[in-house]
Parts: sequence; C-alpha cells; structure tokens
Amino acid sequence: AQKVTQAQTEISVVEKEDVTLDCVYETRDTTYYLFWYKQPPSGELVFLIRRNSFDEQNEISGRYSWNFQKSTSSFNFTITASQVVDSAVYFCALQGARGDTGRRALTFGSGTRLQVQP
Amino acid sequence: DTGVSQDPRHKITKRGQNVTFRCDPISEHNRLYWYRQTLGQGPEFLTYFQNEAQLEKSRLLSDRFSAERPKGSFSTLEIQRTEQGDSAMYLCASSFSRVNTGELFFGEGSRLTVL
Repeated sequence: AQKVTQAQTEISVVEKEDVTLDCVYETRDTTYYLFWYKQPPSGELVFLIRRNSFDEQNEISGRYSWNFQKSTSSFNFTITASQVVDSAVYFCALQGARGDTGRRALTFGSGTRLQVQP
Repeated sequence: DTGVSQDPRHKITKRGQNVTFRCDPISEHNRLYWYRQTLGQGPEFLTYFQNEAQLEKSRLLSDRFSAERPKGSFSTLEIQRTEQGDSAMYLCASSFSRVNTGELFFGEGSRLTVL
C-alpha cells in the first residue's frame, strides 16, 4: 500500500520567515512520482511540482524549493521569505504503479495548513 | 479559456435521496478524475476516465456510486441512497495525456451535505 504522511497539521509564521513543510512517503514501487499541491481558501487545488523517483536533484522555483531524499523517503517543501498570499493548505501526493487503486490515482497526505501573518 | 467547472457547487439533501454532480473538464483534456475530500483530509481518489472509458475505480466507490463520461467530454457522478457519511467535497480534475507534466487541473468542487 502507498502512504503519504504530513505530520505538521498547522504551521504559523510571520511574513518573511522561511518555512519548511515535511512530507514522508511509503511505497513498494521503484518508479513513482511525488507531487505538491496548494489549496488556497477558494478550494481549488493548484499543482506546484512533480518529481520522478529517479531524479533526486533539488529544485528551486522562485521562493519555492523542494528537497527530495530517497534514503529517508522524504520530499520536503521550503518557502523562502513567506508572504501572506502563501497562506493555504499544502498537500504532498504520491503516484505509483502499485497504488491501491491503480497507477493513475494520486495518494494525498492529510495536508499542512500554513498561515502567514503580516 | 475556462478551467474545470463543477455543478452544483453546493448540494444539501436528505439521507436516502439521490444526487448527481456534473464536471466539465478543460476542453482538450482526455483524462478526467473524481476525488472526494472530507474536512481536514487530503483528497481521496474515486475514479478515472480516459476519454469515455472508466479505467480505474477505487474500493471507496461503493455500488451506490456511479460515474459516467458518455461522450468523453463532461462527466457525471451519481450517489444513490445518500448517507451522512457521503457528506464531503467532490472534486473533479482533468489532464491531457500528451502533456507529460503530471499536472492535474482541479475544479472548485461540489460540496455535498447529507442531513
């Protein structure tokens, strides 16, 4: 079975602070994809990134960066110099060939609510 | 360009009634997904279509749930004999198989409340 754990239920920071959202996953697949999605108050999930299990290079996109470590089964997300507009629920997700419901299904974690105070 | 649209946005029903949700994906997208999200949880996969074919179904999808995508465009999700445990946000997403980013485009969801 596949599983994604986001142990941080809620994080509150003050604007301009850096914040890291943790994601730990479990899978028996050797090939899989990891994702991060953002869910702002409007409710619509917004894709942020997908990583292939064979690509452990860290990625940076503006204020966002991702640290993928296969050895610890983690795919953490860091926001540098947070802004109020970053306030949202962030979900980590896993897609693999041997998911319980097939290869197309995403298995989501329970999410981390980030509140950025002005 | 419109995104994924879902209708209705909110539905309140009494236990035992049937409800139907509609999803209109982004027009060129051939893949369509249904997910369910309860408060404080991440979305849970329900089912997936490629064109009109329903290729994957979750074990969460009991026989009271049925989804269709008759012409490979819009999709409907029907819940028969609703139960209070069906109260959730039902999310639709779409993607295009020829674009290999893995990105799903989600709608804003249809919130179901079963009294």
